[in-house]
Amino acid sequence: GEDVEQSLFLSVREGDSSVINCTYTDSSSTYLYWYKQEPGAGLQLLTYIFSNMDMKQDQRLTVLLNKKDKHLSLRIADTQTGDSAIYFCAEAPDTGFQKLVFGTGTRLLVSP
Amino acid sequence: DGGITQSPKYLFRKEGQNVTLSCEQNLNHDAMYWYRQDPGQGLRLIYYSQIVNDFQKGDIAEGYSVSREKKESFPLTVTSAQKNPTAFYLCASSILAGRTDYGYTFGSGTRLTVV
Repeated sequence: GEDVEQSLFLSVREGDSSVINCTYTDSSSTYLYWYKQEPGAGLQLLTYIFSNMDMKQDQRLTVLLNKKDKHLSLRIADTQTGDSAIYFCAEAPDTGFQKLVFGTGTRLLVSP
Repeated sequence: DGGITQSPKYLFRKEGQNVTLSCEQNLNHDAMYWYRQDPGQGLRLIYYSQIVNDFQKGDIAEGYSVSREKKESFPLTVTSAQKNPTAFYLCASSILAGRTDYGYTFGSGTRLTVV
């Protein structure tokens, strides 16, 4: 099947902005999500965007959606060491029973 | 507080044994899911269930079995037929079968190791 693609690794310094990118597969996807996974834990929903939106801002998080290119990004402003984690994007294809399709995850490392 | 509870957190299995991973939710969610996570491979869907007494295979169901006798519970059995079971297993649920407006809620995972 087709994959939701993410780069595997991103390293930033504390205080900088982080941008995590995702290319999804299904143009019919109604919702797109960003999840955060800390070591040894489950996934925590960070934010989501509806497909008729271009941008969504939630405190330090900004989600940008380019439907034409099927590209989703998550920007974290003023990145902190506590933001170090794996970040997954996910899409919800609008086909029958909606199962989320997850990307491979991007490991964000924030150094002091 | 509502949530999903997975147990145990760590599980060790000997070769040839079946083991069962527990997943319980008190969110009144209709749908439940099991994922396997391996390093660098993201999440792969094992089984999912939309309603009680019904479940469907995901992408990697071979060597696994599930049951959904109660809405709150969706246990996963890793059988001896699963040749490479060492992985991190995640259970999730969603509010309405077929609706993903609210995404999934995940448990904290079970790490299974074959010894």
